[in-house]
Amino acid sequence: AQKVTQAQTEISVVEKEDVTLDCVYETRDTTYYLFWYKQPPSGELVFLIRRNSFDEQNEISGRYSWNFQKSTSSFNFTITASQVVDSAVYFCAPARRGGSEKLVFGKGTKLTVNP
Amino acid sequence: DTGVSQDPRHKITKRGQNVTFRCDPISEHNRLYWYRQTLGQGPEFLTYFQNEAQLEKSRLLSDRFSAERPKGSFSTLEIQRTEQGDSAMYLCASSLGGNSPLHFGNGTRLTVT
Repeated sequence: AQKVTQAQTEISVVEKEDVTLDCVYETRDTTYYLFWYKQPPSGELVFLIRRNSFDEQNEISGRYSWNFQKSTSSFNFTITASQVVDSAVYFCAPARRGGSEKLVFGKGTKLTVNP
Repeated sequence: DTGVSQDPRHKITKRGQNVTFRCDPISEHNRLYWYRQTLGQGPEFLTYFQNEAQLEKSRLLSDRFSAERPKGSFSTLEIQRTEQGDSAMYLCASSLGGNSPLHFGNGTRLTVT
């Protein structure tokens, strides 16, 4: 079974600070996918990124970047120059390749960006 | 792409009553998922359909819960004899498969009094 640990329950930063959200996952699968989702106060889960376990290249998208380290089973997410609109709960979720492809969510990290 | 829609947005019911929720996925998506989320927790997987076939159910899905996707389009989730512990946000998601991202609806918030 897959499992994910987001050790940071809540993080509070001031606008323009950089912040990194940690994600450690467990899986017995040799190939799998990893996802990050954002859940703002409005409640809808918003897809941010998908990463294939074969691809360890880090990715940058605007102010967002992701660091995937297969050797340590981590898939960390960094927001550069945070903004108030980044305030949300962020979830990291592994998914088995094939089969149901269901996402396995942890408890998430609540990020509050203060003005 | 009108997104995943769920109805109703909110439902308040008395313990022991039956409730039914509806999910309309993105039209070309053949996979449909139901999740449940309680306060301070991440979404928990309940069940999954590929087209009209229900292919996986979580142990969380007790006998009081039943889900259908009769024509491979919309889906319904019914909870019979509701209990206070059923109070949660029920989320529906759909995808194209191939480990493509799940697109979530806004959810149905159930309160059992």
